[in-house]
Amino acid sequence: GENVEQHPSTLSVQEGDSAVIKCTYSDSASNYFPWYKQELGKRPQLIIDIRSNVGEKKDQRIAVTLNKTAKHFSLHITETQPEDSAVYFCAAVKAAGNKLTFGGGTRVLVKP
Amino acid sequence: GAGVSQSPSNKVTEKGKDVELRCDPISGHTALYWYRQSLGQGLEFLIYFQGNSAPDKSGLPSDRFSAERTGGSVSTLTIQRTQQEDSAVYLCASSPTRDRVETQYFGPGTRLLVL
Repeated sequence: GENVEQHPSTLSVQEGDSAVIKCTYSDSASNYFPWYKQELGKRPQLIIDIRSNVGEKKDQRIAVTLNKTAKHFSLHITETQPEDSAVYFCAAVKAAGNKLTFGGGTRVLVKP
Repeated sequence: GAGVSQSPSNKVTEKGKDVELRCDPISGHTALYWYRQSLGQGLEFLIYFQGNSAPDKSGLPSDRFSAERTGGSVSTLTIQRTQQEDSAVYLCASSPTRDRVETQYFGPGTRLLVL
């Protein structure tokens, strides 16, 4: 089955700096890669996603890149703010079955 | 519109008791998923419904776990003879269809504590 690895497990950045989280997946059939943000005690919320026919997608301060050949994708947060502090999960989904296989999560702390 | 809802929000039970967790998906969403999140851990897939049938039960950890979905809407996850290692947050998600890969929207979860 699919396996998703996520790094780093924790990330501390100064407010205003950039944060980058990287994920790799094992199943070349995966074709949809969402990123979820989970604040303490809250539900995971989709923040951005990318499909396999696209190499990069941007939404304000958040961007995601996908390298299908290398089977890895990354989340980039620019100009970080304290409210960006949360746990971020990457996931991969195949066309069939549709279950999310999650990475282990990255705890991001933005220091003011 | 209304999002995914789950009940109860918190459940404390004694080891050996049965529990039922409920999920109300977004209206019109045909696909429904259950995930489990242990303390400080990632999210683990349990089971997936398309309509009332469950084509993928591969994530259920043991035969003490079962789930059903009726009327293509509400789903119930049942854990029999609960064990302390069942303590976790149980999250439900729904998405519009499985015809193509779609965004999954999560409920707030049920926090289960087995004493």
